[in-house]
Amino acid sequence: GQNIDQPTEMTATEGAIVQINCTYQTSGFNGLFWYQQHAGEAPTFLSYNVLDGLEEKGRFSSFLSRSKGYSYLLLKELQMKDSASYLCAVRKRDSNYQLIWGAGTKLIIKP
Amino acid sequence: KAGVTQTPRYLIKTRGQQVTLSCSPISGHRSVSWYQQTPGQGLQFLFEYFSETQRNKGNFPGRFSGRQFSNSRSEMNVSTLELGDSALYLCASSLASTNSYEQYFGPGTRLTVT
Repeated sequence: GQNIDQPTEMTATEGAIVQINCTYQTSGFNGLFWYQQHAGEAPTFLSYNVLDGLEEKGRFSSFLSRSKGYSYLLLKELQMKDSASYLCAVRKRDSNYQLIWGAGTKLIIKP
Repeated sequence: KAGVTQTPRYLIKTRGQQVTLSCSPISGHRSVSWYQQTPGQGLQFLFEYFSETQRNKGNFPGRFSGRQFSNSRSEMNVSTLELGDSALYLCASSLASTNSYEQYFGPGTRLTVT
């Protein structure tokens, strides 16, 4: 079967660092995505990992370990505007590259 | 480039009615995917259309259907609406080649069924 797990909610302090984890079990893995979704808005693309390792993009970094079925999104120097839901999605090669989505992690930033 | 547009943005219907939602992808994008989003459920995949053909389908009942036109615009239809169909319906477009991966989402249509 296929399953994607993320924590439901996390809280962090402005200026700090937070790591949001995503674990998955799926066949035909062909990449993992992270999207950000502010309340009442559409999701927007943050990162894509298909090979093991860390991809850094400004304050955001994403890590992938295919052997462990594990990814994390690392947010540094947190700002109040980072309060949002963070969605993890896995692309499957054996389903015409369909995306399978996790339920999302709601991140609350406190001053 | 203009982004993905969806119409209408808000809709209120009663049980038993049917509804049609529209999505216009980014120019040049040939794939359109539809999702249902409810609080706590995340994005639930409905279906994907590519070049006017349904390429993937999620686990939704037959009341949910869709189509894509030659200009890549897509519509989804829900017949015999139920209270549980109240949700945000999002469409996303992409180039849909194996080397292209990013989906661009529209603002969504918020459907309320009373």
